Amino acid sequence: GAGVSQSPSNKVTEKGKDVELRCDPISGHTALYWYRQSLGQGLEFLIYFQGNSAPDKSGLPSDRFSAERTGGSVSTLTIQRTQQEDSAVYLCASTKGLLPSPLHFGNGTRLTVT
Amino acid sequence: GEDVEQSLFLSVREGDSSVINCTYTDSSSTYLYWYKQEPGAGLQLLTYIFSNMDMKQDQRLTVLLNKKDKHLSLRIADTQTGDSAIYFCAERNTDKLIFGTGTRLQVFP
Repeated sequence: GAGVSQSPSNKVTEKGKDVELRCDPISGHTALYWYRQSLGQGLEFLIYFQGNSAPDKSGLPSDRFSAERTGGSVSTLTIQRTQQEDSAVYLCASTKGLLPSPLHFGNGTRLTVT
Repeated sequence: GEDVEQSLFLSVREGDSSVINCTYTDSSSTYLYWYKQEPGAGLQLLTYIFSNMDMKQDQRLTVLLNKKDKHLSLRIADTQTGDSAIYFCAERNTDKLIFGTGTRLQVFP
């Protein structure tokens, strides 16, 4: 079936604007993860969902970042009042059940804040 | 704290073996993983190893785990140009993966 889908694939926004990034996980996958990939920084964990609940949101960098998941499916990551340091690739992954089930990653959203 | 470290670059000749190294800090990690990222794509799971194992082999891939030194390595035999990518190791921390910075493998003819 279809893999993890993220939209948009690229987003350019002005500093101070809000952005929404969307993730459609693989159907039936109960766990959903958001990571941020910055140049030379590896992957930084942001938040994960089990169903619609977020047991661990410890990686969200500031209160400008929030995420939700509805219907145990689609998730939206929202960044308010974007800053230049928010520029990165935001990756979503889903998994059927908990680890060690493999994470299936989307291709990411490249966010550029000008 | 949680920290996974890797060297940033590795360059090898086609046909040679590649060894990518990783160190981690959480001795309670139960699973350790290797992921591959090709340009413009997300990460793809290559293999994982349970912490009670020392070695795992899967075709051209060999994973070695030294728990005492908290050291993980990935060996790719007969490296091909198609193996050029960024390789990430990751450790499991409760219900999330902590990733390293990634090692960019370049294969030249």
